[in-house]
Amino acid sequence: EVQLVESGGDLVQPGGSLRLSCAASGFTFRSYWMHWVRQSPGKGLVWVSRINTDGGGTTYADSVKGRFTISRDNAKNTLYLQMNSLSAEDTAVYYCVRDNSDFFDYWGQGTLVTVSS
Amino acid sequence: IVMTQSPATLSVSPGERATLSCRASQSVSSNLAWYQQKPGQAPRLLIYAASTRATGIPARFSGSGSGAEFTLTVSSLQSEDFVVYYCQQYNNWPRTFGQGTKVEIK
Repeated sequence: EVQLVESGGDLVQPGGSLRLSCAASGFTFRSYWMHWVRQSPGKGLVWVSRINTDGGGTTYADSVKGRFTISRDNAKNTLYLQMNSLSAEDTAVYYCVRDNSDFFDYWGQGTLVTVSS
Repeated sequence: IVMTQSPATLSVSPGERATLSCRASQSVSSNLAWYQQKPGQAPRLLIYAASTRATGIPARFSGSGSGAEFTLTVSSLQSEDFVVYYCQQYNNWPRTFGQGTKVEIK
């Protein structure tokens, strides 16, 4: 069974940093591109970032470019999102998502990031 | 690419058909997926490649369209279907979602 379990969400002050993790199991993690997608409270879904299988290729939404860094450790079956210079606009549930031929076939349960003073 | 879903809210009686629309600001070929999101849960893949049902998705869900106009049809609404649906294009970067259609009980 495919499982994606996010962790690391927390309350952080504006300008602060946070690192999210996503533990993957039930599939060959190193064979799949992975993404982060976020959802602000009561709002829709917004794609944040993606990483290819070996971690050598990444893409970011303009809203997070230069502040967020996606990475992965295939030996640990774990996806990461390092978030710096956080602002209130980054408050959201962050989902770890598996890419299957470009569409998103499995989603984690999400982890909540709240940016507030 | 901007994805526009209509209507924002759809009121339908249980057992009736629901038709949800999704329009792209430019052609996305058939690179279109539909997701269902229940309250407090993560989205779930329903349809990919515009018309292919994902594993385990009931046959009452069907997708159609290509280019810039797409439709998700739920043939006979069950109680668990009254939730929010999102379309998403994966033809171009950045991947973009529609704003969602909430299907509510009439």
